[in-house]
Amino acid sequence: GEDVEQSLFLSVREGDSSVINCTYTDSSSTYLYWYKQEPGAGLQLLTYIFSNMDMKQDQRLTVLLNKKDKHLSLRIADTQTGDSAIYFCAEIINDYKLSFGAGTTVTVRA
Amino acid sequence: DSGVTQTPKHLITATGQRVTLRCSPRSGDLSVYWYQQSLDQGLQFLIQYYNGEERAKGNILERFSAQQFPDLHSELNLSSLELGDSALYFCASSVGQSAYGYTFGSGTRLTVV
Repeated sequence: GEDVEQSLFLSVREGDSSVINCTYTDSSSTYLYWYKQEPGAGLQLLTYIFSNMDMKQDQRLTVLLNKKDKHLSLRIADTQTGDSAIYFCAEIINDYKLSFGAGTTVTVRA
Repeated sequence: DSGVTQTPKHLITATGQRVTLRCSPRSGDLSVYWYQQSLDQGLQFLIQYYNGEERAKGNILERFSAQQFPDLHSELNLSSLELGDSALYFCASSVGQSAYGYTFGSGTRLTVV
């Protein structure tokens, strides 16, 4: 099937690290993505990782890819209140279609 | 501002009606994608156009249709609307194929009453 799976909710204290996990389905996906959706807004591309990489770091964001287990994770260091949003994991299907997970709602508490 | 413009932002209409959602892609992008976001179905791919031609179809109902015009803007037509069609409809664009991800518009919220 084409179900990208991710946990639905994550609550984290301000200043702590957040880790959002995702399992994807297509081992031939060349790119994997993390998108962020704030209330009332569209989806913003946060970062992506090429399938031949294990890790990608971009400022406070670290993406880890385990191709063997088809597992993708996003770590947000020093989580801030502005990081409260829904985070979507997505994979490329057939080189053109982004298939999204259900989204993880991250709530940052003071 | 992502560069992808969707109009209108909000639309309220009655069952059985027809509406048209409009999307202007980011400058230079040739591909346009339409997605539907609802609480129960999540983000569902509807259809893709590339430089005026339909490239791929996803979970798009027969009551729905789309097209991409020579100036590359796209329209999504939804007809015989049902309550269950209430959702956020997103347009996204990319230069070609979506290797580097899509750029999304802010969406059109459709409410069918």
